[in-house]
Amino acid sequence: GESVGLHLPTLSVQEGDNSIINCAYSNSASDYFIWYKQESGKGPQFIIDIRSNMDKRQGQRVTVLLNKTVKHLSLQIAATQPGDSAVYFCAERSQGAGGTSYGKLTFGQGTILTVHP
Amino acid sequence: DTAVSQTPKYLVTQMGNDKSIKCEQNLGHDTMYWYKQDSKKFLKIMFSYNNKELIINETVPNRFSPKSPDKAHLNLHINSLELGDSAVYFCASSQIMNTEAFFGQGTRLTVV
Repeated sequence: GESVGLHLPTLSVQEGDNSIINCAYSNSASDYFIWYKQESGKGPQFIIDIRSNMDKRQGQRVTVLLNKTVKHLSLQIAATQPGDSAVYFCAERSQGAGGTSYGKLTFGQGTILTVHP
Repeated sequence: DTAVSQTPKYLVTQMGNDKSIKCEQNLGHDTMYWYKQDSKKFLKIMFSYNNKELIINETVPNRFSPKSPDKAHLNLHINSLELGDSAVYFCASSQIMNTEAFFGQGTRLTVV
């Protein structure tokens, strides 16, 4: 299930199920999006990215969907494994001043994914 | 080889002290960052440097001073530490164009 509020949203799934993690972004000018995975005691680790001129991108067991109309990003994980348990962040990169590439990476709230064997 | 390494991994210190966190990347990237992650896991950018020049400086107290001696290093010095500075600080690097940022393992700072 999911919970919101003062705590991070959580998603609990059984091993082998598919997982979908959602993210709403704020800046319609953002042109690049990334999903990161953060395991306990470690730094965020890149999973997959997508540019704003695309609406879908697939990797190994992961798919990112981008809906610019409603400013929504999702990460789908196929055949979820216990090793997928972590906090997942979406991040958006907005252009810097004057359309430069120095735009900062802004992170979303994060979702805790727990995979039960 | 560790791509982005930061030291120390843990830092416990008293209020009022001055401390530094070091970061090095061996990826040949042009841009380096400092992020702060609070107890609710929220990640917020603090600074960004491109080729040793400050590019992004979010509203961070001026007790925090980044220093980039060369494009492979970005250190963070914090003066007069306060309890609210307790957090995990992450260094990261990326290429100048829109590519992903690679993160270090983090430095857990605890101010007592």
